Amino acid sequence: DSGVTQTPKHLITATGQRVTLRCSPRSGDLSVYWYQQSLDQGLQFLIQYYNGEERAKGNILERFSAQQFPDLHSELNLSSLELGDSALYFCASSVSGAPHQPQHFGDGTRLSIL
Amino acid sequence: AQSVAQPEDQVNVAEGNPLTVKCTYSVSGNPYLFWYVQYPNRGLQFLLKYITGDNLVKGSYGFEAEFNKSQTSFHLKKPSALVSDSALYFCAVSVSGSARQLTFGSGTQLTVLP
Repeated sequence: DSGVTQTPKHLITATGQRVTLRCSPRSGDLSVYWYQQSLDQGLQFLIQYYNGEERAKGNILERFSAQQFPDLHSELNLSSLELGDSALYFCASSVSGAPHQPQHFGDGTRLSIL
Repeated sequence: AQSVAQPEDQVNVAEGNPLTVKCTYSVSGNPYLFWYVQYPNRGLQFLLKYITGDNLVKGSYGFEAEFNKSQTSFHLKKPSALVSDSALYFCAVSVSGSARQLTFGSGTQLTVLP
């Protein structure tokens, strides 16, 4: 058990809809990362937060947004969903977000767009 | 730009035999290198990392990896494979002093045959 909790585990919705994925980091970790895993694109970094502030941005679409709250949990919001957004979305956390620190991953949210 | 290559999509090895999963990287600057393992329907699990120092790094579950700067490689090894080692393995790189985050390879599916 990594200590990172993601909800829900599965999400099925339709094109054009909006969903929110939730992540609780490991106790003591201040930095949260979001990744998208798909068969064609592999594991793609989306965005990183540290102690409530955005720290780094990767291949995140404008239709997607995220935030980290004062209690350090994070939410990833996906809007105007398209079929291509179907993927596994992972949250990871680390102590301070420094590049040498290992990240600890949750078990992901599987998003299916119908 | 930083990148990681895992040249083999699939590696098969007999139980009890040594295993190697290959990884090469490309970065500007000093690399931090990581190996993660992913079991079906689970998140990535940290195995080991190289930051600096000894080129041979030991990690969880009997795995080790050798950092080779001249060949820009970081191959994962285990002296004696177990059936339970069958999983998807990811190599990843980040760079000291860089704001860029982890870049993952495409993954190698390891199958250990009984």
